[in-house]
Amino acid sequence: GQQLNQSPQSMFIQEGEDVSMNCTSSSIFNTWLWYKQDPGEGPVLLIALYKAGELTSNGRLTAQFGITRKDSFLNISASIPSDVGIYFCAGRGGATNKLIFGTGTLLAVQP
Amino acid sequence: NAGVTQTPKFQVLKTGQSMTLQCAQDMNHEYMSWYRQDPGMGLRLIHYSVGAGITDQGEVPNGYNVSRSTTEDFPLRLLSAAPSQTSVYFCASSRLAGFLTDTQYFGPGTRLTVL
Repeated sequence: GQQLNQSPQSMFIQEGEDVSMNCTSSSIFNTWLWYKQDPGEGPVLLIALYKAGELTSNGRLTAQFGITRKDSFLNISASIPSDVGIYFCAGRGGATNKLIFGTGTLLAVQP
Repeated sequence: NAGVTQTPKFQVLKTGQSMTLQCAQDMNHEYMSWYRQDPGMGLRLIHYSVGAGITDQGEVPNGYNVSRSTTEDFPLRLLSAAPSQTSVYFCASSRLAGFLTDTQYFGPGTRLTVL
């Protein structure tokens, strides 16, 4: 099935550093979502984007809906240990309008 | 509210066995869905339901059955388990109202191993 290309696959950073990850698709989407999954838990929605160019923040997290509607970015500023987890992008659009998930970015933060 | 609950949390099956993964939500959500999560594959939609009595196939429905007899419950049945069904299964629910559909609440997952 169709999947989103999410990068990087993993990141190992020091506490206090900024983090950036992105997702790209060959299809145009009308919705981009970013989730975080803590170990042993289900994903939790962080940010939802509905318009090309839209920039939305949630605390230290900022996400953008790409102008081409084929990509999205998530930035985390001043990372802290509790930011550890897997971050997933998800997009909705195309003929089926079903939600498609990226392969995830594993984030590790060293205190 | 308990949110979305899933049972069991862990399960080991032998090839050919059948079982049902349970999912329940107490938020009166119309939309419920089942995903499987495999390493390097993200989350893939198995089946979904937009209300009691209505179900539809997702991206990877083969080998799985679902039913939605009540708003609260959405069980996933494996009729004859295969090793390829070893995965972590997540149930999710949301309101069915425009953008609210995207605010899915996920359960804690069921980790299934098929030997």
